[in-house]
Amino acid sequence: DAMVIQNPRYQVTQFGKPVTLSCSQTLNHNVMYWYQQKSSQAPKLLFHYYDKDFNNEADTPDNFQSRRPNTSFCFLDIRSPGLGDAAMYLCATSSDRDEQFFGPGTRLTVL
Amino acid sequence: GNSVTQMEGPVTLSEEAFLTINCTYTATGYPSLFWYVQYPGEGLQLLLKATKADDKGSNKGFEATYRKETTSFHLEKGSVQVSDSAVYFCALSTYSGYSTLTFGKGTMLLVSP
Repeated sequence: DAMVIQNPRYQVTQFGKPVTLSCSQTLNHNVMYWYQQKSSQAPKLLFHYYDKDFNNEADTPDNFQSRRPNTSFCFLDIRSPGLGDAAMYLCATSSDRDEQFFGPGTRLTVL
Repeated sequence: GNSVTQMEGPVTLSEEAFLTINCTYTATGYPSLFWYVQYPGEGLQLLLKATKADDKGSNKGFEATYRKETTSFHLEKGSVQVSDSAVYFCALSTYSGYSTLTFGKGTMLLVSP
């Protein structure tokens, strides 16, 4: 089945230690998104790629960066995680239609 | 700007009860409307959608009708099950070359046997 895959499902890192989260898709969608979701809140868009064009939300901290080496893969890099960055990180994709397809998420814990 | 308002939870129901979760929106243009469901520890799954006024989305016994005159997209189910316990997000999408989702805050549904 075509899908959005996120690895790992659970990630533990130390305060200030860089961490990378991975997302891959078999849908061949041209748009990929990264969201941050904290407990009992709605997902918050961090940035998205339209093909290779990167679009950062205005309030996304500089600590968060992303890479998209090809259509299928997209990475979220957190350069120096703080305790406030502990959250669920969701990857989503869409084509030229308006529906977004979400992966299962990566739960990040910062110690 | 765009916004989505949905009723606060948790909504607590007994199995087989009728469910309504209210959702209203503010948007420019003609948005598409969605209900996403999130089970504990999981990502978001699309539950149903409607792309134009008077459309009814339905899936797994859930229904919602796109009401332009009242700017609403209320979620309903005639008989809930324990397995329906989850968080439900109402969302709208405006499209300008790519999808941009605006979410409501989410409503937790707890169904007891």
